[in-house]
Amino acid sequence: NAGVTQTPKFQVLKTGQSMTLQCAQDMNHEYMSWYRQDPGMGLRLIHYSVGAGITDQGEVPNGYNVSRSTTEDFPLRLLSAAPSQTSVYFCASSYSRGRETQYFGPGTRLLVL
Amino acid sequence: AQSVSQHNHHVILSEAASLELGCNYSYGGTVNLFWYVQYPGQHLQLLLKYFSGDPLVKGIKGFEAEFIKSKFSFNLRKPSVQWSDTAEYFCAVNPLTGANNLFFGTGTRLTVIP
Repeated sequence: NAGVTQTPKFQVLKTGQSMTLQCAQDMNHEYMSWYRQDPGMGLRLIHYSVGAGITDQGEVPNGYNVSRSTTEDFPLRLLSAAPSQTSVYFCASSYSRGRETQYFGPGTRLLVL
Repeated sequence: AQSVSQHNHHVILSEAASLELGCNYSYGGTVNLFWYVQYPGQHLQLLLKYFSGDPLVKGIKGFEAEFIKSKFSFNLRKPSVQWSDTAEYFCAVNPLTGANNLFFGTGTRLTVIP
Protein backbone atom coordinates (compact mmCIF):
# COMPACT_ATOMS: atom_id res chain seq x y z
CA ASN A 1 0.00 0.00 0.00
CA ALA A 2 1.95 3.00 -1.30
CA GLY A 3 -0.58 5.64 -0.16
CA VAL A 4 -0.36 8.86 -2.16
CA THR A 5 2.53 9.13 -4.58
CA GLN A 6 3.69 12.16 -6.52
CA THR A 7 6.13 12.61 -9.36
CA PRO A 8 8.45 14.30 -9.97
CA LYS A 9 9.95 15.28 -6.61
CA PHE A 10 11.66 18.32 -8.04
CA GLN A 11 11.34 20.18 -11.33
CA VAL A 12 12.81 23.29 -12.86
CA LEU A 13 10.87 24.99 -15.64
CA LYS A 14 11.37 28.02 -17.77
CA THR A 15 8.63 30.63 -17.99
CA GLY A 16 6.07 29.59 -20.57
CA GLN A 17 6.79 25.87 -20.44
CA SER A 18 4.04 23.43 -19.60
CA MET A 19 4.21 20.32 -17.48
CA THR A 20 2.10 17.80 -15.63
CA LEU A 21 2.50 16.90 -12.00
CA GLN A 22 1.42 13.36 -11.38
CA CYS A 23 -0.54 12.13 -8.37
CA ALA A 24 -1.78 8.63 -7.68
CA GLN A 25 -3.37 6.88 -4.72
CA ASP A 26 -4.07 3.22 -4.09
CA MET A 27 -6.58 3.57 -1.26
CA ASN A 28 -9.70 3.78 -3.46
CA HIS A 29 -10.38 7.29 -2.20
CA GLU A 30 -13.07 9.28 -3.95
CA TYR A 31 -11.85 12.73 -2.95
CA MET A 32 -8.54 14.06 -4.25
CA SER A 33 -7.12 17.53 -4.11
CA TRP A 34 -4.10 19.64 -5.02
CA TYR A 35 -2.59 22.26 -2.73
CA ARG A 36 0.30 24.62 -3.11
CA GLN A 37 2.42 25.58 -0.12
CA ASP A 38 4.12 28.95 -0.07
CA PRO A 39 6.10 30.54 2.77
CA GLY A 40 3.83 32.50 5.08
CA MET A 41 0.70 31.41 3.24
CA GLY A 42 0.17 27.84 4.34
CA LEU A 43 -1.56 25.42 2.01
CA ARG A 44 -4.01 26.74 -0.52
CA LEU A 45 -6.43 24.57 -2.46
CA ILE A 46 -5.94 24.65 -6.23
CA HIS A 47 -8.39 22.07 -7.57
CA TYR A 48 -10.25 19.12 -6.19
CA SER A 49 -12.23 16.12 -7.36
CA VAL A 50 -15.03 14.23 -5.65
CA GLY A 51 -14.81 11.26 -7.99
CA ALA A 52 -13.78 10.13 -11.44
CA GLY A 53 -14.98 12.58 -14.05
CA ILE A 54 -15.80 15.33 -11.53
CA THR A 55 -13.47 18.22 -10.79
CA ASP A 56 -13.89 21.71 -9.43
CA GLN A 57 -11.87 24.80 -8.62
CA GLY A 58 -10.42 25.65 -5.24
CA GLU A 59 -9.05 28.93 -3.93
CA VAL A 60 -6.24 29.48 -6.46
CA PRO A 61 -7.10 27.66 -9.72
CA ASN A 62 -5.75 30.15 -12.27
CA GLY A 63 -2.99 28.74 -14.46
CA TYR A 64 -3.76 25.11 -13.60
CA ASN A 65 -5.87 22.39 -15.15
CA VAL A 66 -6.92 19.03 -13.76
CA SER A 67 -8.75 15.95 -14.93
CA ARG A 68 -9.84 12.76 -13.21
CA SER A 69 -10.31 9.90 -15.62
CA THR A 70 -9.75 7.20 -13.00
CA THR A 71 -10.25 6.94 -9.26
CA GLU A 72 -6.52 6.48 -8.75
CA ASP A 73 -4.99 9.35 -10.72
CA PHE A 74 -5.36 13.12 -10.45
CA PRO A 75 -2.76 14.97 -12.55
CA LEU A 76 -2.22 18.71 -12.29
CA ARG A 77 -1.24 20.56 -15.45
CA LEU A 78 0.55 23.86 -15.61
CA LEU A 79 -0.45 25.35 -18.91
CA SER A 80 2.20 28.07 -19.23
CA ALA A 81 4.46 28.23 -16.22
CA ALA A 82 5.08 31.57 -14.51
CA PRO A 83 7.55 32.45 -11.73
CA SER A 84 4.56 32.99 -9.43
CA GLN A 85 3.92 29.25 -9.67
CA THR A 86 7.20 28.48 -7.95
CA SER A 87 5.98 26.51 -4.96
CA VAL A 88 5.71 23.13 -3.32
CA TYR A 89 2.72 21.18 -4.56
CA PHE A 90 0.94 18.60 -2.47
CA CYS A 91 -1.64 16.09 -3.59
CA ALA A 92 -4.02 14.66 -1.01
CA SER A 93 -6.79 12.09 -0.94
CA SER A 94 -9.53 10.96 1.41
CA TYR A 95 -12.63 8.77 1.36
CA SER A 96 -14.77 11.86 1.00
CA ARG A 97 -14.46 15.55 1.69
CA GLY A 98 -15.36 17.15 4.93
CA ARG A 99 -14.46 15.37 8.13
CA GLU A 100 -12.38 12.61 6.62
CA THR A 101 -8.65 12.51 7.26
CA GLN A 102 -6.68 13.63 4.25
CA TYR A 103 -3.60 11.65 3.25
CA PHE A 104 -0.86 13.68 1.66
CA GLY A 105 1.79 12.83 -0.87
CA PRO A 106 5.46 13.76 -0.41
CA GLY A 107 5.17 16.91 -2.50
CA THR A 108 6.69 18.26 -5.70
CA ARG A 109 9.04 21.20 -5.45
CA LEU A 110 8.69 23.37 -8.56
CA LEU A 111 10.98 26.21 -9.56
CA VAL A 112 9.97 28.41 -12.47
CA LEU A 113 12.72 30.60 -13.85
CA ALA B 1 -12.68 37.12 3.81
CA GLN B 2 -13.06 33.90 5.71
CA SER B 3 -9.76 32.58 7.00
CA VAL B 4 -7.77 30.45 9.38
CA SER B 5 -5.21 32.35 11.47
CA GLN B 6 -2.14 31.03 13.18
CA HIS B 7 -0.47 33.97 14.82
CA ASN B 8 2.69 32.19 15.94
CA HIS B 9 4.93 31.85 12.92
CA HIS B 10 7.96 30.38 14.64
CA VAL B 11 8.12 29.07 18.19
CA ILE B 12 11.35 28.00 19.85
CA LEU B 13 11.18 25.96 23.04
CA SER B 14 13.51 23.95 25.18
CA GLU B 15 12.75 20.29 25.81
CA ALA B 16 10.20 19.73 28.59
CA ALA B 17 8.64 23.16 28.09
CA SER B 18 4.89 23.38 27.59
CA LEU B 19 3.48 24.22 24.20
CA GLU B 20 0.41 26.09 23.09
CA LEU B 21 -0.14 27.03 19.45
CA GLY B 22 -3.01 29.31 18.61
CA CYS B 23 -5.56 28.81 15.86
CA ASN B 24 -8.52 31.06 15.13
CA TYR B 25 -10.97 30.85 12.28
CA SER B 26 -13.60 33.14 10.88
CA TYR B 27 -16.04 30.68 9.35
CA GLY B 28 -19.56 30.82 10.71
CA GLY B 29 -21.75 27.86 11.44
CA THR B 30 -20.65 24.33 12.14
CA VAL B 31 -17.07 23.43 11.38
CA ASN B 32 -14.80 20.41 11.58
CA LEU B 33 -11.35 21.21 12.94
CA PHE B 34 -7.98 19.59 12.39
CA TRP B 35 -4.33 19.89 13.27
CA TYR B 36 -1.85 18.47 10.79
CA VAL B 37 1.90 18.17 11.33
CA GLN B 38 4.77 18.05 8.89
CA TYR B 39 7.97 16.62 10.35
CA PRO B 40 11.18 17.46 8.49
CA GLY B 41 11.34 15.49 5.28
CA GLN B 42 8.01 13.75 5.85
CA HIS B 43 4.46 13.97 4.56
CA LEU B 44 1.83 16.05 6.26
CA GLN B 45 -0.06 13.83 8.65
CA LEU B 46 -3.06 14.18 10.91
CA LEU B 47 -2.35 15.03 14.55
CA LEU B 48 -5.93 15.26 15.78
CA LYS B 49 -9.42 16.32 14.77
CA TYR B 50 -12.62 17.59 16.29
CA PHE B 51 -16.14 17.17 14.97
CA SER B 52 -18.46 17.39 17.96
CA GLY B 53 -18.82 16.41 21.60
CA ASP B 54 -16.12 16.94 24.21
CA PRO B 55 -14.31 20.11 23.13
CA LEU B 56 -11.02 18.76 24.46
CA VAL B 57 -9.64 16.24 22.00
CA LYS B 58 -6.55 14.12 22.28
CA GLY B 59 -4.33 13.16 19.41
CA ILE B 60 -1.15 11.27 18.78
CA LYS B 61 2.13 11.77 20.62
CA GLY B 62 0.56 13.45 23.65
CA PHE B 63 -0.96 16.39 21.81
CA GLU B 64 -4.38 17.76 22.64
CA ALA B 65 -6.51 20.63 21.41
CA GLU B 66 -9.40 22.57 22.86
CA PHE B 67 -12.29 23.92 20.82
CA ILE B 68 -13.76 27.13 22.22
CA LYS B 69 -16.76 27.95 20.09
CA SER B 70 -17.28 31.43 21.49
CA LYS B 71 -13.72 32.38 20.59
CA PHE B 72 -13.65 30.56 17.23
CA SER B 73 -10.46 28.95 18.45
CA PHE B 74 -8.87 25.51 18.36
CA ASN B 75 -5.55 25.77 20.16
CA LEU B 76 -3.04 22.95 20.22
CA ARG B 77 -1.26 22.02 23.44
CA LYS B 78 1.35 19.64 24.76
CA PRO B 79 2.47 19.65 28.39
CA SER B 80 6.09 18.73 27.72
CA VAL B 81 7.68 18.92 24.27
CA GLN B 82 10.47 16.73 22.99
CA TRP B 83 13.15 17.37 20.40
CA SER B 84 11.24 15.03 18.08
CA ASP B 85 8.29 17.46 18.08
CA THR B 86 10.29 19.82 15.91
CA ALA B 87 8.01 20.27 12.90
CA GLU B 88 5.60 22.58 11.18
CA TYR B 89 2.05 22.54 12.52
CA PHE B 90 -0.99 23.46 10.48
CA CYS B 91 -4.47 24.19 11.72
CA ALA B 92 -7.22 23.39 9.22
CA VAL B 93 -10.94 24.08 9.11
CA ASN B 94 -13.67 22.32 7.18
CA PRO B 95 -16.72 24.58 7.10
CA LEU B 96 -19.82 22.54 6.49
CA THR B 97 -21.30 25.18 4.23
CA GLY B 98 -20.25 25.95 0.70
CA ALA B 99 -17.89 23.58 -1.04
CA ASN B 100 -17.12 21.62 2.12
CA ASN B 101 -13.38 21.72 1.50
CA LEU B 102 -10.47 22.04 3.90
CA PHE B 103 -8.83 25.40 4.54
CA PHE B 104 -5.41 25.66 6.15
CA GLY B 105 -3.74 28.24 8.31
CA THR B 106 -0.31 29.61 7.48
CA GLY B 107 1.45 27.15 9.76
CA THR B 108 3.64 27.45 12.85
CA ARG B 109 7.20 26.21 12.82
CA LEU B 110 8.19 24.67 16.12
CA THR B 111 11.84 24.23 16.99
CA VAL B 112 12.61 22.28 20.15
CA ILE B 113 16.11 22.72 21.53
CA PRO B 114 17.54 19.67 23.30
